[in-house]
This record gives sequence, C-alpha cells and structure tokens, in this order.
Amino acid sequence: DIQMTQSPSSLSASVGDRVTITCRASQGISNYLAWYQQKPGKVPKLLIYDASTLQSGVPSRFSGSRSGTDFTLTISSLQPEDVATYFCQMHNDAPTWTFGQGTKVEIK
Amino acid sequence: QLQLQGSGPGLVKPSETLSLTCTVSGASISSRSYYWGWIRQPPGKGLEWIGTISYSGSTYYNPSLKSRVTISVDTSKNQFSLRLRSMTAADTAVYYCARSSMVVTLVLPPDLWGQGTLVTVSS
Repeated sequence: DIQMTQSPSSLSASVGDRVTITCRASQGISNYLAWYQQKPGKVPKLLIYDASTLQSGVPSRFSGSRSGTDFTLTISSLQPEDVATYFCQMHNDAPTWTFGQGTKVEIK
Repeated sequence: QLQLQGSGPGLVKPSETLSLTCTVSGASISSRSYYWGWIRQPPGKGLEWIGTISYSGSTYYNPSLKSRVTISVDTSKNQFSLRLRSMTAADTAVYYCARSSMVVTLVLPPDLWGQGTLVTVSS
C-alpha cells in the first residue's frame, strides 16, 4: 500500500506569512494529490486536485505543486480566515481515497 | 443546486448496525456524472474514507472496513445509504456523505459534502 506522510502536524504563522505544508507519498502517484481545508466545526472543502488545479472559487493565494513524490500546499499570504486544518488526499486509485494526517494552521 | 443531506441515529449501541442515509437534491443519483461516498472523522482526528458507489452500482470499500460495510443506492428516493455492522466505540465519529464528479473517465476527489452526522457508540 502507498503511504502518505503529511508534515508538519501543526504550525503557527503571522498574518501575511508564506506558509507551506508538505505531503510525501511512499511511491509515485503521478499528480493525483488533492488538498482540503477544514475550518473548526465545518465540513472539509476541496481546495486543489491533480496537485495544482485550483478548485473553482478558491482564492489565488492557495497553490499546489509537486516534485517527484513530494507535494506542497502553499498559502502565499496567510489570512485570519485561513485558520483551519489542511488534509492532503491521494486520488491515484480513484474512487478510493487515502487522506494524510492533517496540519493545523494557527495565527501567531 | 446539488445538495446532500445526511440522516440517521446519533447513538448506536455496541455490536449493533449503523444505518445512515444521504438524500441527494438537485441531481439524479443515477447521473453518469457522479460517484457517491462516505467518509468519517473521529472527534479531534483525521479523515477516513469508508467507501464509494458508482452510478452503475459498483462499490469500492476501505479494506480495513470492508468486512463490515455495505453501501447501496435507492434510485426511487434519490438516496444512498451506509450500513456498518458490529459497531464499537472506535466507530464513534462524524460520518459525512460526499459526491465525486467524473471528468471523461476520471473520478475526481469529493467536492461536495453533506453536513455530517455525529454517531456515538455507547450502551
């Protein structure tokens, strides 16, 4: 089975900071990686799929990239409304899904 | 506008079977454009995929839950359902129903989720 390792588990940054979250797959999954945002008490929201395709309506400060089996979610300028937990998800074997462990993002 | 509304009991006794239903509004559950699935989240923890059903009725289950799970569709009611047998405290979680869209032959990650149902397993 392909394993996903997401890091860090939590981070604290200032408003306006550039924030990066990483997921590493244990094997190649091409570009089949999605990112979700889950605000406290809310339903998960799809931000990005296929590693870098922004879902409709998602602010452009969110971006995704891939280097080999490493995938990165970048928030270019952290905003207060971005406080949330972010999950990566493999979708190489759709419609089966595997989620990362999550990264909690807080404002410093 | 397509919406998902989950429903079911909030409390289940150990060893019993959980039955949850997701009602789809704004689209036909038989549409070839969508797959339908269930995902759960234990309190304070991460997301776990449970299973998915296609428009044609093909099912896909998480191997760790496969022996206990059944997902089905009721086209007459435009609903899909989850049954999870032999419930234990470890199954306490918020259960989400979700939709995945198809683009050509590719099934995209779930992009529309129901509001979630908190299910507690306790006697």
